[in-house]
Amino acid sequence: AQSVTQLGSHVSVSEGALVLLRCNYSSSVPPYLFWYVQYPNQGLQLLLKYTSAATLVKGINGFEAEFKKSETSFHLTKPSAHMSDAAEYFCAVTPNTDKLIFGTGTRLQVFP
Amino acid sequence: DAGVIQSPRHEVTEMGQEVTLRCKPISGHDYLFWYRQTMMRGLELLIYFNNNVPIDDSGMPEDRFSAKMPNASFSTLKIQPSEPRDSAVYFCASRAGTGTSTDTQYFGPGTRLTVL
Repeated sequence: AQSVTQLGSHVSVSEGALVLLRCNYSSSVPPYLFWYVQYPNQGLQLLLKYTSAATLVKGINGFEAEFKKSETSFHLTKPSAHMSDAAEYFCAVTPNTDKLIFGTGTRLQVFP
Repeated sequence: DAGVIQSPRHEVTEMGQEVTLRCKPISGHDYLFWYRQTMMRGLELLIYFNNNVPIDDSGMPEDRFSAKMPNASFSTLKIQPSEPRDSAVYFCASRAGTGTSTDTQYFGPGTRLTVL
């Protein structure tokens, strides 16, 4: 069965520091992978997605993620955190089906 | 484009009452998904439709839950009777039907349901 594991339910960084949110996937077929962000009291919004083209995917708000098949990972990074990045981040996988399978989420806090 | 529209945004009801949540997908999208989000269980897919037809309802928790999509621009999720454990945020999402699962799902703002 396909799944994603997000390591760390909470991550705290200082403003201007590197953001690294971890996601590992399990899939028996080449997966499509997504990162979504949820701001307080809002729905989920797509940050970026991997669809088997370039392994380094750039998204909105300065975020990017790298697909590493050897490590079954799709970690999300941003070089310099901003206060407005504080939100919950979800990794998701779809194994060539209609469904998205979400991870448990990582709450990012950014301190001044 | 107005995006996915959900109503109401907040619903407070008493145990045993019927609750109806509504969703209007993005015009032209062929897929519609209903999710439930709780602290304990995270984000769960309840049911999804393709061209108004329910495709997979394996995530619907029990017979108290039902969902319909009478036309391409409207869907409902009904809980009857409601129970306190149904308290959650319910999201609707829609997606274009271009034939690939890489298309983006667009989420509505959610309905926060509280059952007392």
